[in-house]
Amino acid sequence: QQQVKQSPQSLIVQKGGISIINCAYENTAFDYFPWYQQFPGKGPALLIAIRPDVSEKKEGRFTISFNKSAKQFSLHIMDSQPGDSATYFCAASLSATNKLIFGTGTLLAVQP
Amino acid sequence: DVKVTQSSRYLVKRTGEKVFLECVQDMDHENMFWYRQDPGLGLRLIYFSYDVKMKEKGDIPEGYSVSREKKERFSLILESASTNQTSMYLCASSWGYSGKRNTEAFFGQGTRLTVV
Repeated sequence: QQQVKQSPQSLIVQKGGISIINCAYENTAFDYFPWYQQFPGKGPALLIAIRPDVSEKKEGRFTISFNKSAKQFSLHIMDSQPGDSATYFCAASLSATNKLIFGTGTLLAVQP
Repeated sequence: DVKVTQSSRYLVKRTGEKVFLECVQDMDHENMFWYRQDPGLGLRLIYFSYDVKMKEKGDIPEGYSVSREKKERFSLILESASTNQTSMYLCASSWGYSGKRNTEAFFGQGTRLTVV
């Protein structure tokens, strides 16, 4: 049973374009929603995270949009750059335990 | 800097062998995790430990066990390795019951295990 569903599986974007990755969750008790970025040969690293008391969080070119009623959240990468090419994972957890449940990942390729 | 260190980057084992994957963190984190990463399946939680000697099964615990005798060390054990356990294994750590708001999980670089 996939508790966090992520789409698309892969994405190709032109340099300067907007990359959008979507996630949906099932457990309404989740209260922490991070995105992780993974480069080849490396472990994932935290990119940006949001809690359900806000609908949007922006850090530089990266924005999370959160829709609590739809149980969905998405990552937007503005002005995508070739250096953004990586695998992106959404995740969800309960703050009480910090036990992270991940989505299936999106392989992003930004073409120059 | 937080450091999560996995003992091996690459490992090749034979079917039926008992395999130990070791992970050490230096942040005094309560939580430690073992994930398995496979193409198209993302990061699947094998086991989660929220304290010394405490563990909780994840989504795919079959064929695996874990040991956490010290807070900084979390071991994943493949009791009898099989070819379908060929994968990338990632260890992570984070704050847990101490209630710290920084909930970031820090990952090791992974161990690519091949079972032949």
